[in-house]
Amino acid sequence: GESVGLHLPTLSVQEGDNSIINCAYSNSASDYFIWYKQESGKGPQFIIDIRSNMDKRQGQRVTVLLNKTVKHLSLQIAATQPGDSAVYFCAEMAGNDYKLSFGAGTTVTVRA
Amino acid sequence: GAGVSQSPRYKVAKRGQDVALRCDPISGHVSLFWYQQALGQGPEFLTYFQNEAQLDKSGLPSDRFFAERPEGSVSTLKIQRTQQEDSAVYLCASSLTFRDSGYTFGSGTRLTVV
Repeated sequence: GESVGLHLPTLSVQEGDNSIINCAYSNSASDYFIWYKQESGKGPQFIIDIRSNMDKRQGQRVTVLLNKTVKHLSLQIAATQPGDSAVYFCAEMAGNDYKLSFGAGTTVTVRA
Repeated sequence: GAGVSQSPRYKVAKRGQDVALRCDPISGHVSLFWYQQALGQGPEFLTYFQNEAQLDKSGLPSDRFFAERPEGSVSTLKIQRTQQEDSAVYLCASSLTFRDSGYTFGSGTRLTVV
């Protein structure tokens, strides 16, 4: 399953399939990006980060891709599991700042 | 502690009442942040502390909001004369070096003003 366009609030994916969550950012000065996962009733949980000098970074079952030319970020989750159901936020930080700016989030629902 | 702890988890306040929200950051974390998360939205920055110094309070919505961290560890966010638009989840986060792994967030305090 994939969220298309700039941002889609919800994504429904079959268990075992790969998920792709997309995010557009607006600040050209942003040089550090983080994906967070937020489950109901909990705070955002760090998933993976990437700096602007990289195009791709891989973690356990997750990959983040950064396209600075079009200011686009994506999170790929391999073999999506029921425990991956949550809201996913991309967040950006500019080089001279300490504040994170969050997008609106994408709700991922995994179908059994 | 092992994580960022916030209390209370839930708070219902009558309009006009003052509330105080507490955050216990991870021990040794110098930086502490407060964020406000409205229903269905991403967190929005409120204020930032480095040790006991409040270096940035540009995100506080009004002068009814006040935050402190007097000894550089526990922080309190106080909202005076609460209004319905203050209803949100208030998240606290702490970090040692945030450009290495972002922040660690607490579970938040859900404030409902009735």
